Amino acid sequence: QVQLQESGPGLVKPSQTLSLTCTVSGVSITIGDDFWSWIRQPPGKGLEWIGYIYSSGRTYYNPSLKSRVSISVDASKNQFSLNLSSVSVADTAVYFCVRARECRGGSCFVDFWGRGTLVTVSS
Amino acid sequence: SYELTQPPSVSVSPGQTASITCSTDKLGDKYVCWYQQRPGQSPLLVIYQDSKRPSGIPDRFSGSNSGNTATLTITGTQTIDEADYYCQAWDNSLGVFGGGTKLTVL
Repeated sequence: QVQLQESGPGLVKPSQTLSLTCTVSGVSITIGDDFWSWIRQPPGKGLEWIGYIYSSGRTYYNPSLKSRVSISVDASKNQFSLNLSSVSVADTAVYFCVRARECRGGSCFVDFWGRGTLVTVSS
Repeated sequence: SYELTQPPSVSVSPGQTASITCSTDKLGDKYVCWYQQRPGQSPLLVIYQDSKRPSGIPDRFSGSNSGNTATLTITGTQTIDEADYYCQAWDNSLGVFGGGTKLTVL
């Protein structure tokens, strides 16, 4: 059974960098064609796909966040991480790490989600 | 930018059929999936590739996609189906979500 668990600070100051790590169990994140992704959800609002990492290191980011986002992988720990720089109150959200499948064929869907972690941006 | 439009809310009586739509130009040319999200929980995949159900999802959930509209149908709606529902498609190398529909069962 695939499991994902987010970890990281729950409070970040404006203009600083938000850093989260996702620990994956039950499958190796460096094998296969899955897209290991970050998705966020502001309180009371909808879902936004932040970006993903695949094929042992290739990345793609949401154009609206591209200048501030980076996603990396630590294969030795079976983890992938999110960094979001220059955060503002608008970045306050629940951040989910997820596994997305069959994205290359255009039928991309998320079959496993982490529980999510609330990150609040506030001074 | 690519946008998927969902009605903000849908109401249905227990035992009746609920239909939730997701629309954009030529949506039928893409695959659509649907997620259920109960309060305080992570989303749960209920339909993928327009009409397939993951293992463990009841057969009262079904999906279709044609023209400009994809539809999630819940037949014999139960009170436990009360939740937010999001459609999602893949466009220009990124997943895009609809704004979500709150399904009320009363």
